[in-house]
Amino acid sequence: QITLKESGPTLVKPTQTLTLTCTFSGFSLSTSGMAVGWIRQPPGKALEWLALIYWDDDKRYSPSLQSRLTITKDTSKNQVVLTMTDMDPVDTGSYYCAHMTLSSGWFNYWGQGTLVTVSS
Amino acid sequence: EVVLTQSPATLSLSPGERATLSCRASQSVRSYLAWYQQKPGQAPRLLIYDASNRATGIPARFSGSGSGTDFTLTISSLEPEDFAVYYCQHRITWPRTFGPGTKVDTK
Repeated sequence: QITLKESGPTLVKPTQTLTLTCTFSGFSLSTSGMAVGWIRQPPGKALEWLALIYWDDDKRYSPSLQSRLTITKDTSKNQVVLTMTDMDPVDTGSYYCAHMTLSSGWFNYWGQGTLVTVSS
Repeated sequence: EVVLTQSPATLSLSPGERATLSCRASQSVRSYLAWYQQKPGQAPRLLIYDASNRATGIPARFSGSGSGTDFTLTISSLEPEDFAVYYCQHRITWPRTFGPGTKVDTK
């Protein structure tokens, strides 16, 4: 059974760096074909794809946010970390991590999401 | 970047009615399109992948069709639990963008 859970601050100030952790179980990111991605959703708005990391440490980023994002993995802890620099109030929203396999290419398992508010 | 457009933005229907949702891509995504359902306060759930395949546990009333740039999600007979927001997503290139969503609400 695959589960994922996001954790991190609920409130950050403008210009600060956000660090979110996705802790998962039911699979290993050292297993060929596994991947974890991050998606966010401003309140009442659509989903936005942010970043993805594969088992082999290949990383993909949204071009519009690439300069601000870093995704890393810690296979020993079953965790994926997303950092986003220079936070702005428009970055307020729910942040989800999700599991994907190379063979399917889709997010079949999602975390519950964590709400991050950017405000001074 | 592939841009996905969904229509209508809102679909007002009654239980038992048929729902037809559209997703259009700015360039061909072949059959690499998925549909997700999201209910308030919940994470999205994968419904349909590769345009027409139901994900595990998804009822048969959900079906997907299309290829290239035009795709359709059909709910044959709406159940009360189907009133939600539906998003499409592609996986032809990076980034794997989502559409803006279609809200299916109760008439």
